[in-house]
Amino acid sequence: DAKTTQPPSMDCAEGRAANLPCNHSTISGNEYVYWYRQIHSQGPQYIIHGLKNNETNEMASLIITEDRKSSTLILPHATLRDTAVYYCIVRVFHNNAGNMLTFGGGTRLMVKP
Amino acid sequence: ETGVTQTPRHLVMGMTNKKSLKCEQHLGHNAMYWYKQSAKKPLELMFVYSLEERVENNSVPSRFSPECPNSSHLFLHLHTLQPEDSALYLCASRRTGGRTEAFFGQGTRLTVV
Repeated sequence: DAKTTQPPSMDCAEGRAANLPCNHSTISGNEYVYWYRQIHSQGPQYIIHGLKNNETNEMASLIITEDRKSSTLILPHATLRDTAVYYCIVRVFHNNAGNMLTFGGGTRLMVKP
Repeated sequence: ETGVTQTPRHLVMGMTNKKSLKCEQHLGHNAMYWYKQSAKKPLELMFVYSLEERVENNSVPSRFSPECPNSSHLFLHLHTLQPEDSALYLCASRRTGGRTEAFFGQGTRLTVV
């Protein structure tokens, strides 16, 4: 699976958009970009994923560059409850169970009042 | 609430004790996983089960012994642990055969004294 690079930490003001970048310059054509987040001492939570088109759901938007070498997760109106570590993961989806998520260090997002 | 339930949420055990962690899901998932998260470290995948058979064991010491009696339940049996085994142990499940996301439990915070 391709490696990702994320800033270790970011701050965001409450109510503003949080834009979390991820570099994945070695991504291959069949690898998806996944985002999870982990609120302190809880299990990771799925946010969104995409292949090449931009995606949006009730939690966030995912913008993937045309060359697919980087992406940005956007939380449109960050709240204090969005304070968490955000993980960007790229991987191929195989049928076999062994192809599971590999977590890096992520970005610690601190939303401030 | 993710649909993946772990018990207990907190556990303190001595180095000579035997204890078990339990994970349960009724999401119809056919793959289940144990992860370990030590302080200030990324999540590490420990064990993978698919259709109740272990398919991966990432060089985990034998003092950790997993068991998957059916597709809804996963156990991690602990015996003669060391203080450095103190960590957050997370269970996850997913359905293979598609681009389905993984669901994580809330974790068991284990302290070995």
